[in-house]
Amino acid sequence: SQQGEEDPQALSIQEGENATMNCSYKTSINNLQWYRQNSGRGLVHLILIRSNEREKHSGRLRVTLDTSKKSSSLLITASRAADTASYFCATHRMDSSYKLIFGSGTRLLVRP
Amino acid sequence: GAGVSQSPSNKVTEKGKDVELRCDPISGHTALYWYRQRLGQGLEFLIYFQGNSAPDKSGLPSDRFSAERTGESVSTLTIQRTQQEDSAVYLCASTAGAREQYFGPGTRLTVT
Repeated sequence: SQQGEEDPQALSIQEGENATMNCSYKTSINNLQWYRQNSGRGLVHLILIRSNEREKHSGRLRVTLDTSKKSSSLLITASRAADTASYFCATHRMDSSYKLIFGSGTRLLVRP
Repeated sequence: GAGVSQSPSNKVTEKGKDVELRCDPISGHTALYWYRQRLGQGLEFLIYFQGNSAPDKSGLPSDRFSAERTGESVSTLTIQRTQQEDSAVYLCASTAGAREQYFGPGTRLTVT
């Protein structure tokens, strides 16, 4: 079964607006990662946040992690049309240091 | 090459035929993963290789699926007697540790 569930499933925004995607998971984790996928092909790693971290930034990306609520959010600021893609969260569980469990993804459309 | 490569990029096959998918991981990456992604869905873990350790085959959906990897090199995923429900994108990823995974572009398999 899926460890992570993203919300919303789809998001449409205007270029320049911020996009927020949420991820919930079920078991204790080592770390949580966010990936982007264009056109249904290979995924690209965006950012990794460890279980003892609460917030992390990378360029226009901001990730938060709330282990008490077992949830994470990905914020993309000042969105661009090129940000249009599917975004997936993935977790490394405490009981399995090598296996990444992916959520079902959020499909983001940024309208120019 | 600098990244993970997969071949073929697309494969159309008739129901009942066998197919073999190939993955070349990043040199030096000890871990290799295979995932399946159905249209509009998240990634399903299939199998994991770590060095010369026994692979984790827990995600393989049936005995028609098998995979091999020699040492830390190329891996092949074989699907025997393909069925229409096997149609999906098959993604390979490699990693040097319990951190981000580097994905190949995938093989889109269509079973007619």
